[in-house]
Amino acid sequence: DIQMTQSPSSLSASVGDRVIITCQASQDIRNYLNWYQQKAGKAPNLLIYDASNLETGVPSRFSGSGSGTDFTLTISSLQPEDIATYYCQQYDNLPRTFGQGTRVDIK
Amino acid sequence: QVQLVQSGAEVKKPGASVKVSCKASGYTFTSYAMHWVRQAPGQRLEWMGWINAGNGDTKYSQKFQGRVTITRDISASTAYMELSSLRSEDTAVYYCATLYGSGYYMDVWGKGTTVTVSS
Repeated sequence: DIQMTQSPSSLSASVGDRVIITCQASQDIRNYLNWYQQKAGKAPNLLIYDASNLETGVPSRFSGSGSGTDFTLTISSLQPEDIATYYCQQYDNLPRTFGQGTRVDIK
Repeated sequence: QVQLVQSGAEVKKPGASVKVSCKASGYTFTSYAMHWVRQAPGQRLEWMGWINAGNGDTKYSQKFQGRVTITRDISASTAYMELSSLRSEDTAVYYCATLYGSGYYMDVWGKGTTVTVSS
């Protein structure tokens, strides 16, 4: 199975800060990576697909980059409604695997 | 609008089985795969398997092979996930979802079904 490792596991930032979350795959997954946002008690919501494409309806402050084994999710200006846990997920191979999550709080 | 409606919470004893349903609406059910993903308390999301709703082909995670069965009823636009030989570690929220990728371009999740395994 492909292992997905995110960092950091949690972070606390101020409103308006730039936030960067990284995700590393244990092998080359090309650009077959999704990013999800999961708010407490809710199902995950797709933010970014194919590593860098913004899902319809997602605010433009979210962006994704990377290919191969190293990927990044950036929130350009953190907002209070962005409090959530963020997960990367690869779909290059079955089983689909998720990172362990990055919890984002407001300082 | 596209919607996946899951069945209600379940409480089961160790060794029992549970069957969770997921009713789709707002799209052509047979045009997409349905995945099942679970999340134990405080843990990461874990992919269990999927079914091609068109032809019924299934693929399961090795971790659940032999214990999980995913089926679908085309006439009811409903997918099912049955997990057998339950143990306490199976306590989790179980989600159905049409995940983006592998030739499918729609990502929609159900609200989740809580399954509690306790004696």
